[in-house]
Amino acid sequence: DTGVSQNPRHKITKRGQNVTFRCDPISEHNRLYWYRQTLGQGPEFLTYFQNEAQLEKSRLLSDRFSAERPKGSFSTLEIQRTEQGDSAMYLCASSLGGQRGAWKTQYFGPGTRLLVL
Amino acid sequence: GEDVEQSLFLSVREGDSSVINCTYTDSSSTYLYWYKQEPGAGLQLLTYIFSNMDMKQDQRLTVLLNKKDKHLSLRIADTQTGDSAIYFCAENHDKIIFGKGTRLHILP
Repeated sequence: DTGVSQNPRHKITKRGQNVTFRCDPISEHNRLYWYRQTLGQGPEFLTYFQNEAQLEKSRLLSDRFSAERPKGSFSTLEIQRTEQGDSAMYLCASSLGGQRGAWKTQYFGPGTRLLVL
Repeated sequence: GEDVEQSLFLSVREGDSSVINCTYTDSSSTYLYWYKQEPGAGLQLLTYIFSNMDMKQDQRLTVLLNKKDKHLSLRIADTQTGDSAIYFCAENHDKIIFGKGTRLHILP
């Protein structure tokens, strides 16, 4: 257990429905990242926050995806109008940003596995 | 560009050493990582190496970094059945760029 938690762990939904995932990072970490992992692939970066600010978004993050971190603690990732291609493991990670050293190390949660039928 | 390449499969006999290799493209990477993922589980940080180091040893794990060739390797000594997993090489650009992972299979 890294200290990063994600809920739910599994989600099955029908195409066209909206889904929302939550990530609770390690409490002292100010950076929070979202990644997506499909079968047989490594995780791919989606977006990251430093405190409340969303600093970078990947081109993978279509406008059906939105992420928030309103108080700089937990984050939510919402997918609107889900498609079968959205089926994947969604991973959250956190780290201490803004300083030198091994702070850059990201610690991952267990992931939310999404299946879109 | 940012790209991390690693072989997809490795089979090793129990008790032998495993060596997983990786190449990366971006010489500006300051940290390089090895993550382990077991079936149905999240990513576990195994070890990392700072770019000004050539080698790092941590118990059964040895990481070698050749910056000139942009080559990173992970050696697992005395491989055990519990080492069976997918190993991801990764480089850090604020976001982490992962390889596709090497599936390590342990033969009895």
